[in-house]
Amino acid sequence: EVQLVESGGGLVQPGGSLKLSCVASGFTFSDSAVHWVRQASGKGLEWVGRIRTKANSYGTTYAASVKGRFTISRDDSKNTAYLQMNSLKTEDTALYYCTRHDWNEDWGQGTLVTVSS
Amino acid sequence: DIQMTQSPSSLSASVGDRVTITCRASQDISKYLAWFQQKPGKAPKSLIYAASSLQSGVPSKFSGSGSGTDFTLTISSLQPEDFATYYCQHYNSYPLTFGPGTKVDIK
Repeated sequence: EVQLVESGGGLVQPGGSLKLSCVASGFTFSDSAVHWVRQASGKGLEWVGRIRTKANSYGTTYAASVKGRFTISRDDSKNTAYLQMNSLKTEDTALYYCTRHDWNEDWGQGTLVTVSS
Repeated sequence: DIQMTQSPSSLSASVGDRVTITCRASQDISKYLAWFQQKPGKAPKSLIYAASSLQSGVPSKFSGSGSGTDFTLTISSLQPEDFATYYCQHYNSYPLTFGPGTKVDIK
């Protein structure tokens, strides 16, 4: 069974940083691209970014709204992907999901990030 | 960026009804289109990918069609567990974008 488990969310002040983790199991993690998608309370889904596999040079792509502030990385030896979030803004407040594949086949349960003073 | 629109934004239907949701892309996305179901307090669940391919374990009452810019999701006979919000998403290019969602509730 495919499982994705996010963690690391919490309350952070504007301008602060937070690092989210996504631990995967049930599939060959090193062969899968990993995406991050977020959802503000009561709102729709927003793609944040993705990291490709080693075979694709761990290429990353980001949404314009987070480019330059967020960084996605992965450690295939730990079956884990990360989302480093810097210079956080109040509008980054959301539930953050990790998913796999461009068509977002599998989702974690999400981890809540609240940016507030 | 490719913009995704959905219609209607919400609909009320009865158990047993046939329901169709439309998704439109602002430019040709071939068949790079996925559909998701989201229930309150839960993560989205993948239903369909490549416009018409059913994800493993998804009941056959769900079906998808379309290519290019116009797509549909059909639920053949609505059941109580199908009341939810449905989203489309393209993956033709980056950034990936989602439609605004269609909320299906009980009539």
